[in-house]
Amino acid sequence: EVQLVESGGGFVQPGGSLRLSCAASGFTFSTYSINWVRQAPGKGLEWLSYISDSSSPIYYADSVKGRFTISRDNAKNSLYLQMNSLRAEDTAVYYCARDIPKRLYTVPLSGTFDIWGQGTMVTVSS
Amino acid sequence: DIQMTQSPSSLSASVGDRVTITCRASQSIDTYLNWYQQKPGKAPKLLMYIASSLQSGVPSRFSGSGSGTDFTLTISSLQPEDSATYYCQQSYSTPWTFGQGTKVEIK
Repeated sequence: EVQLVESGGGFVQPGGSLRLSCAASGFTFSTYSINWVRQAPGKGLEWLSYISDSSSPIYYADSVKGRFTISRDNAKNSLYLQMNSLRAEDTAVYYCARDIPKRLYTVPLSGTFDIWGQGTMVTVSS
Repeated sequence: DIQMTQSPSSLSASVGDRVTITCRASQSIDTYLNWYQQKPGKAPKLLMYIASSLQSGVPSRFSGSGSGTDFTLTISSLQPEDSATYYCQQSYSTPWTFGQGTKVEIK
């Protein structure tokens, strides 16, 4: 079964740090680009970051640029999101989401997410 | 950033009804428009990509159309399991952005 499983969420004080992980299984992780998307409680979806299959290029939303770092370890079939300088407004469910297979699009970046994890909750509060 | 605006924000319809959700982009995005379905407590699910391509495994009662700035998602015959929130998302340029969502309820 194709699957993404996030972990690492929890409760953290403003200004603190947290590292999220996303474990992939059921597909050849090293050939897919992956993204982080979050959803604040009761709110809509916000794309945060993209990492290509080879770890370059990488893109961030302005809301997290300079504070969050995306990375991956293809040998471990794992994706990471290092979150520093956390703020109350970072409180959300964080999803990792796989790009659709390359054969389905002709442009360099698909921006289209076909497999999502179940999400991990991050709460930033004093 | 490209702003995505959906309408309506919510709707209530009966089983078997034809339902249409509209999404408008703040600038032309060609056909780089995706639709997702999200049920409470669950992750989003890709329904349509490149405006009108049906994702594998998605029922054929779902269809998408549009190009440029105006797009629609249509459910031809609403089923009870279609009760969910639907999001459009532009994949034209980063940062990829989502609409605010349309909540579909069954009467």
